Amino acid sequence: NAGVTQTPKFRVLKTGQSMTLLCAQDMNHEYMYWYRQDPGMGLRLIHYSVGEGTTAKGEVPDGYNVSRLKKQNFLLGLESAAPSQTSVYFCASANRGNTEAFFGQGTRLTVV
Amino acid sequence: GQNIDQPTEMTATEGAIVQINCTYQTSGFNGLFWYQQHAGEAPTFLSYNVLDGLEEKGRFSSFLSRSKGYSYLLLKELQMKDSASYLCAVRGSGGYQKVTFGTGTKLQVIP
Repeated sequence: NAGVTQTPKFRVLKTGQSMTLLCAQDMNHEYMYWYRQDPGMGLRLIHYSVGEGTTAKGEVPDGYNVSRLKKQNFLLGLESAAPSQTSVYFCASANRGNTEAFFGQGTRLTVV
Repeated sequence: GQNIDQPTEMTATEGAIVQINCTYQTSGFNGLFWYQQHAGEAPTFLSYNVLDGLEEKGRFSSFLSRSKGYSYLLLKELQMKDSASYLCAVRGSGGYQKVTFGTGTKLQVIP
């Protein structure tokens, strides 16, 4: 029972490079989220999705794009990475009632 | 919008009881979560309160007062493994019911 799986776990990017973070969940959850976590800032919502084919902006969406072509997958893209995007990224999923969110193990991204 | 406040750090002794407070101001409210996060790991769910009162789950209890915009997490019989950050999060109102997290309280349990 995998739950929420994120790939990759670690990545170092050069400024201006692009990459995609993959989140996969096997719990048939409707809602999926991408957060970033920075020291002293807490978890901040980047983008979210309430169902297959739908996405919406969260608190800090600039510089990121997302897609949810399949219910189980939620992709986070960085088109042109910047040092300010150095962070730990967490994906989460929840059922429609959203009474408990399940988190992936995180992706530690460094942009140099 | 949502504003959530919790202490940054706390220290408590093994075997003791500790209370971690959380206050919030929100434009809408549909419940409050507590998550535990060990260093370098993902947050894991502890509790969810939507009605006023105390909910107990083993050594952990969570309390909510909606009129005061206040919650606390109570940890009893502290163990060393309880050293972690504890995140308070509020679920807002609206079609998607966004969850907003506080910055977390880092708890250190000492012998």
